Amino acid sequence: GAVVSQHPSRVICKSGTSVKIECRSLDFQATTMFWYRQFPKQSLMLMATSNEGSKATYEQGVEKDKFLINHASLTLSTLTVTSAHPEDSSFYICSAFKGSENTEAFFGQGTRLTVV
Amino acid sequence: GQNIDQPTEMTATEGAIVQINCTYQTSGFNGLFWYQQHAGEAPTFLSYNVLDGLEEKGRFSSFLSRSKGYSYLLLKELQMKDSASYLCAVMDSNYQLIWGAGTKLIIKP
Repeated sequence: GAVVSQHPSRVICKSGTSVKIECRSLDFQATTMFWYRQFPKQSLMLMATSNEGSKATYEQGVEKDKFLINHASLTLSTLTVTSAHPEDSSFYICSAFKGSENTEAFFGQGTRLTVV
Repeated sequence: GQNIDQPTEMTATEGAIVQINCTYQTSGFNGLFWYQQHAGEAPTFLSYNVLDGLEEKGRFSSFLSRSKGYSYLLLKELQMKDSASYLCAVMDSNYQLIWGAGTKLIIKP
């Protein structure tokens, strides 16, 4: 089946540094990818929709300058957490829909970010 | 506003059957998804319903009634590994997924 690969799975960084998370669709082209954030014991929260070749669409309350999204190709989207702070520590997940009918979403493995 | 409701937690016995309900109110409807999520892991796709009726996939079945804004996920022959959170999500008219908070299912021997 279709696979979405997310890297890294875990990262620990110091406050003030930036972290890049990659999301790749391995065997299909994804014109649209989604980035989610999940706090412990809570549901997924959509952060932004990443469209290949254009600017990402951010959800209300999500800082565009802090969470930089780049969707440079049909198989790769990246999320960069800039100037990370401890409150940015969370589980970040990407997903992509396969096919034009958007009937099945595939998720990356998730990235657990810890900012110390 | 858009809203997805599902129970916070349910408990069932190994070998039994459990039904997890989901009701929704969204701006448009382009399908309803059920996902399974184990602690610390990303969600795994279970089912997709866009037409009314029951979709069966092995031990898991999903039902949809669009007129009632209602779906359920039915799990049969429960196994201990089915202990997880089950997320209901609706795709709205903009093809965005609106997520429920998830139902934590606890399986007891």
